[in-house]
Amino acid sequence: GNSVTQMEGPVTLSEEAFLTINCTYTATGYPSLFWYVQYPGEGLQLLLKATKADDKGSNKGFEATYRKETTSFHLEKGSVQVSDSAVYFCALRENTGFQKLVFGTGTRLLVSP
Amino acid sequence: ETGVTQTPRHLVMGMTNKKSLKCEQHLGHNAMYWYKQSAKKPLELMFVYSLEERVENNSVPSRFSPECPNSSHLFLHLHTLQPEDSALYLCASSQGREGAGGYTFGSGTRLTVV
Repeated sequence: GNSVTQMEGPVTLSEEAFLTINCTYTATGYPSLFWYVQYPGEGLQLLLKATKADDKGSNKGFEATYRKETTSFHLEKGSVQVSDSAVYFCALRENTGFQKLVFGTGTRLLVSP
Repeated sequence: ETGVTQTPRHLVMGMTNKKSLKCEQHLGHNAMYWYKQSAKKPLELMFVYSLEERVENNSVPSRFSPECPNSSHLFLHLHTLQPEDSALYLCASSQGREGAGGYTFGSGTRLTVV
């Protein structure tokens, strides 16, 4: 079945450091890919998405590129802030059946001043 | 304000109690979802409703009973729960079966079963 694999956390960085959170997927066909962010005590918020190969999603300084050849959608940010501390979820939307979202386990990011 | 409102935010219940979780959206979406989020586990999709019809039930125990009276409201009725059911329960909605714009999530209900 379809699945999403994320790097284990927590990822601990100092403010202004470069961030990469790895995400790879297994899917039939060509799914759409998403990154969601969950701040403490909140639900999930859509951060960015990409719907086809080589698309780059971006928002709030975060970027991710849909790489079909490596089945990856790694999340990057050039300079993190303390306020970026949260849990980040990679997800794919199936393109068959009900086309529901399939999530990874989430990666916790901790940014210190 | 995310557009999807869940109540209550926190709930503590005994194993013999009956309670209900409520989810409400006024985004004009026609699909709604219940997810369970437990520590160190992937988000688990529990139920999917499309146009008020349940289209998916992922082998959820019968002690969880969903209800979707209209496209704006979704309930999760709980009875005789177990301690391992303690988790964050998230409601989400989307427009269309394919959720082209992604899902909009509520803030969740933190459930503790004692």
